[in-house]
Amino acid sequence: EVQLSESGGGMVQPGGSLRLSCTASGFIFRSYAMSWVRQAPGKGLEWVAAVAGGGSLTYYADSVKGRFTISRDNSMNTVSLQLNSLRVEDAAIYYCTRSGGVPFDYWGQGTLVTVSS
Amino acid sequence: EIVLTQSPATLSVSPGERVTLSCRASQSVGGDVAWYQHKSGQSPRLLIYGASTRATGIPARFGGSGSGTEFTLTISSLQSEDFAVYYCQEYINWPVFTFGPGTTVDLK
Repeated sequence: EVQLSESGGGMVQPGGSLRLSCTASGFIFRSYAMSWVRQAPGKGLEWVAAVAGGGSLTYYADSVKGRFTISRDNSMNTVSLQLNSLRVEDAAIYYCTRSGGVPFDYWGQGTLVTVSS
Repeated sequence: EIVLTQSPATLSVSPGERVTLSCRASQSVGGDVAWYQHKSGQSPRLLIYGASTRATGIPARFGGSGSGTEFTLTISSLQSEDFAVYYCQEYINWPVFTFGPGTTVDLK
């Protein structure tokens, strides 16, 4: 059974940092690109970042480029998102999701990031 | 940058009705469009990919069509469990993705 489980959310002040993690199981992890998608309160879904299966290629939404860093550890079946220079508008539920031949067919339960002073 | 527009923003319907949701892309995305259902407090659920292929386990009442810049999600007979927000997504520049703003389907 495919499972994705996020952790690391919490409350942080503007300008602060946070590291989110997602642990995967039930599939050949290195065969899938992994993405983070967020939903801010009262807003829609926003793709944030993706990392290719090998880990060397990364992609970012313009809204987070230069502030967030996605990485993966295929030996541990984990994907991480380092969030730096956080802004109030980065507050959201962050979901981990996979994409192979089919986009975003499995999602984690999400982890909540709150940015507030 | 590809921009997706969804219409209507909100659709109020009764169970049993046929529902048609639209998604328009600012430039051609071929057939690289997916549709997701998102209920409050849950993770999004993939319904359709490749514009018209139902994902595993998705009921046959959900159908997708379109190509290029115009796409449609149809629910042939809305069930009570189908009240949710529906998002289209393009992935022509995989693994860079864009979501539309969503259409809320609620009870009339």
